[in-house]
Amino acid sequence: EIVLTQSPGTLSLSPGERATLSCRASQSVSSRYLAWYQQKPGQAPRLLIYGASSRATGIPDRFSGSGSGTDFTLTISRLEPEDFAVYYCQQYGSSPGTFGQGTKLEIK
Amino acid sequence: QVQLVQSAAEVKKPGASVKVSCKASGYTFTSYAMHWVRQAPGQRLEWMGWINAGNGNTRYSQNFQGRVTITRDTSASTVYMELNSLRSEDTAVFYCARDLPGAFDIWGQGTMVTVSS
Repeated sequence: EIVLTQSPGTLSLSPGERATLSCRASQSVSSRYLAWYQQKPGQAPRLLIYGASSRATGIPDRFSGSGSGTDFTLTISRLEPEDFAVYYCQQYGSSPGTFGQGTKLEIK
Repeated sequence: QVQLVQSAAEVKKPGASVKVSCKASGYTFTSYAMHWVRQAPGQRLEWMGWINAGNGNTRYSQNFQGRVTITRDTSASTVYMELNSLRSEDTAVFYCARDLPGAFDIWGQGTMVTVSS
């Protein structure tokens, strides 16, 4: 099973700042099956990025994804108040599909 | 619009089974696979398995050790997830999610299952 480790666990930033979230895999992951999700309290996850770098429908261009192999990054260029949430990376190119433990993005 | 609507919350005793439904609308049901994901309180998301809604083929996570069964009813555009031999650690929110493919693009609202004696 591929283990995804996200860092940092918590990121404290202010609106307008840039956020960089990391996802490291225990073995190489197909970029085609690397995704990022946003989850707010009491809500289902929302797809942000798929295929490591493609934005999902309706996702603002301040969200971007990059990386390959074992290291992937989600970048939010200028934080908006609604961006403070928990973010998960996911891979399911290798069964079982797995998620990272999440990065909580909180308002500083 | 495309949406997945799940069944209501359940309370079950240890050892019992639960069957959660996920009704799809707004798209061709048989054209997309559907996944199930568990989220225990304060825990990461955990993939349970998926079903090809067109042909009914399934694949499950070994982590659920044969306790999970996913089925579908094409006439009702509904997918079901049944989890057997429930234990307290199964207390969680269960989500269905549509396969993009490559990611899970549409999610149900979640169904809370509480396992308690």
